[in-house]
Amino acid sequence: DQQVKQNSPSLSVQEGRISILNCDYTNSMFDYFLWYKKYPAEGPTFLISISSIKDKNEDGRFTVFLNKSAKHLSLHIVPSQPGDSAVYFCAATPKGAQKLVFGQGTRLTINP
Amino acid sequence: ETGVTQSPTHLIKTRGQQVTLRCSSQSGHNTVSWYQQALGQGPQFIFQYYREEENGRGNFPPRFSGLQFPNYSSELNVNALELDDSALYLCASSPGQGPYNEQFFGPGTRLTVL
Repeated sequence: DQQVKQNSPSLSVQEGRISILNCDYTNSMFDYFLWYKKYPAEGPTFLISISSIKDKNEDGRFTVFLNKSAKHLSLHIVPSQPGDSAVYFCAATPKGAQKLVFGQGTRLTINP
Repeated sequence: ETGVTQSPTHLIKTRGQQVTLRCSSQSGHNTVSWYQQALGQGPQFIFQYYREEENGRGNFPPRFSGLQFPNYSSELNVNALELDDSALYLCASSPGQGPYNEQFFGPGTRLTVL
């Protein structure tokens, strides 16, 4: 029962362009959404989050959009930089619960 | 400030054996969560400890158990190892319980069960 899905296992983007990573969820009880970034041999690191009462949150080059009617979340990175090459995980927290429910991840490669 | 550390880095066990993985939380953090990440998958929540008490559990059998110590470090114990237990085990600490407290992850322990 995959409640959070990232349907693109990989994405390749040219340096300087926009990277868009997508995530779909099925559980209407999720009330907080997060994106994590993971480099090889390191643990995931928090990137940006959004509460279910908002539809957009921006932090520098990173913007997260939430479309509750479509149960869809996206992360925009602009402009993309070589250091952004990593695996990106979408995660969500069910209301009242302590856990993070992760998607399968999308490997982003930024080409020079 | 020391981040989250985990030991050992890698471990090889055989089916039926028992294993203990260790996690030192970040200074000032009283909450520790454990996740299992199988190859090609996202991390899956095992359980969380808050001030030495289990504070939420995912869909894992009872042979997965844990402990949190007074210094907030934690252990994950897995009994009767199965081949499917082969995975990266991640520990995350946070300054409090609840989703709005950022979770800081360690680098993980890679467990291989033969």
